[in-house]
Amino acid sequence: DTAVSQTPKYLVTQMGNDKSIKCEQNLGHDTMYWYKQDSKKFLKIMFSYNNKELIINETVPNRFSPKSPDKAHLNLHINSLELGDSAVYFCASSRRGGLYEQYFGPGTRLTVT
Amino acid sequence: GESVGLHLPTLSVQEGDNSIINCAYSNSASDYFIWYKQESGKGPQFIIDIRSNMDKRQGQRVTVLLNKTVKHLSLQIAATQPGDSAVYFCAEGSGGGADGLTFGKGTHLIIQP
Repeated sequence: DTAVSQTPKYLVTQMGNDKSIKCEQNLGHDTMYWYKQDSKKFLKIMFSYNNKELIINETVPNRFSPKSPDKAHLNLHINSLELGDSAVYFCASSRRGGLYEQYFGPGTRLTVT
Repeated sequence: GESVGLHLPTLSVQEGDNSIINCAYSNSASDYFIWYKQESGKGPQFIIDIRSNMDKRQGQRVTVLLNKTVKHLSLQIAATQPGDSAVYFCAEGSGGGADGLTFGKGTHLIIQP
């Protein structure tokens, strides 16, 4: 069974569109995250979320918003997509924030044309 | 094996040799460190972690060394195999909060036959 899954694997869309990426974890973890990996492979935290707290990286545009329907899911909504949003987006989860290993999903490659 | 810093993004070693990948971190408050392996087209995969109250931790064929004095972290891989070819990331975390991990730039390990 896949521990952290994301859909879709690939997403190609035009500038200005709104899109969502879904993430699910079946590990029973409390905290979930979204990371962005750019073309140089640099991984950067975007959000971390548990049922009590959302922590947003201050560099993330407010066009990006996480939505958590329940503890096992953290979806990423992106409004008004821009060319610079093209990247690979990874979802991750951990037992608790900060000091425990995070398990990553397979990634979603977003291409904005 | 050959040791490199993050400013040299590629490390090439012979199959069967030992590899050492180095990482420097800047946050003195970091108290949790972790190494990930990322193969092409996949999400980062947990290798090993270490907390700041330790200097060394061993896993299967891997050892992580932490030198807090100079804020340096290394990953040693013994008897490298073709399957070890990947990009390796160090990451750090601090505090008990859900701030996510701060990743280093990554080192591409290439195993020569």
